[in-house]
Amino acid sequence: EPEVTQTPSHQVTQMGQEVILRCVPISNHLYFYWYRQILGQKVEFLVSFYNNEISEKSEIFDDQFSVERPDGSNFTLKIRSTKLEDSAMYFCASKAGTGGEKLFFGSGTQLSVL
Amino acid sequence: TQLLEQSPQFLSIQEGENLTVYCNSSSVFSSLQWYRQEPGEGPVLLVTVVTGGEVKKLKRLTFQFGDARKDSSLHITAAQPGDTGLYLCAGERSNFGNEKLTFGTGTRLTIIP
Repeated sequence: EPEVTQTPSHQVTQMGQEVILRCVPISNHLYFYWYRQILGQKVEFLVSFYNNEISEKSEIFDDQFSVERPDGSNFTLKIRSTKLEDSAMYFCASKAGTGGEKLFFGSGTQLSVL
Repeated sequence: TQLLEQSPQFLSIQEGENLTVYCNSSSVFSSLQWYRQEPGEGPVLLVTVVTGGEVKKLKRLTFQFGDARKDSSLHITAAQPGDTGLYLCAGERSNFGNEKLTFGTGTRLTIIP
């Protein structure tokens, strides 16, 4: 089965530093998402992306967050100045279309902000 | 804000027993999805239910969508140790457009051999 690939699997950073989390969605997919899961809590929506623009973003996705699809394959999440509370597992997801298409999740990047 | 509450939060049962996990909301969803998540991995889709009252079976797993499309249940028959994991329900408000998922609080299931 095709896979969504995320790198790195673990990222440790100092508070205030910028981090970029990288994702390679499945090649023919058009809809892209970032979710996060703080340890022991539920999976939370951050942002959705289609046609090279943000479709929807949550309250969590403030000015410190940005997403980009710099080329035809990568989809990145940037956190400009990390905070302790940004520590979480970040999941990238993609799907081919709407109307019940299956959503595929990557294995996640565990971000630890010290 | 649409919330999905799952119960129980934790469940530990003996191999061979049956169990049911519930996913409830006060909001209507156009579809409900069930995922299973292993430690250090992303959620993996098990099933999507779309029609109120719909029942889907996946081997020993039976999924049901409530008539009013506000709740869902997952029933496992003759649980196996391999069923151990975190089960998540997630709802979509519509099946069209770039719709986000609202995830439930999760049920951590442990099957004791």
